[in-house]
Amino acid sequence: GAVVSQHPSRVICKSGTSVKIECRSLDFQATTMFWYRQFPKQSLMLMATSNEGSKATYEQGVEKDKFLINHASLTLSTLTVTSAHPEDSSFYICSARAGDSNQPQHFGDGTRLSIL
Amino acid sequence: QQPVQSPQAVILREGEDAVINCSSSKALYSVHWYRQKHGEAPVFLMILLKGGEQKGHEKISASFNEKKQQSSLYLTASQLSYSGTYFCGTATNTGGFKTIFGAGTRLFVKA
Repeated sequence: GAVVSQHPSRVICKSGTSVKIECRSLDFQATTMFWYRQFPKQSLMLMATSNEGSKATYEQGVEKDKFLINHASLTLSTLTVTSAHPEDSSFYICSARAGDSNQPQHFGDGTRLSIL
Repeated sequence: QQPVQSPQAVILREGEDAVINCSSSKALYSVHWYRQKHGEAPVFLMILLKGGEQKGHEKISASFNEKKQQSSLYLTASQLSYSGTYFCGTATNTGGFKTIFGAGTRLFVKA
């Protein structure tokens, strides 16, 4: 089956620190990767969509300068939370898809980010 | 626009059946179903692509009514392992056919 690896699984850091989260598709080429934020007992909120080699498309209300996304290859996308503050604390999940929207998304295990 | 899921939560005893509904105000091109257990990543269950399509996965099946812009997930003879939050994701022709997820339906199966 399709496997997506996301790390780190947990980050605790001080306010003002920048944090990078990696998302890798291990056994398939991901033409599109998605980054979600999930608050406790809530849905997956899409932050941005990234296609390999092109700029990410951010959802309304998501600051592109705050959440930097790079999709350098067909198997790797990174999310960098710049100058993180306590309100950025959340569960961040990536997913990867090979092909169009009729194909399934395969999710990473998520990263729990805690900013002190 | 986020699809609407109902009910918000369901409590079942082992062996009972449940139906989870997902509806959209926009024309749907596909419907995805995922299950997420607490603290884990969502796991793909199935995708329905065409109106009238039905799919099955063990004792979990789904239907897609394109005309009504609705999909339903059917869980029969539920098992303890079915507990979790079920999300439907819908792809429409706005925003590049990205998948938007509903708020989720929390399912508790008791022994």
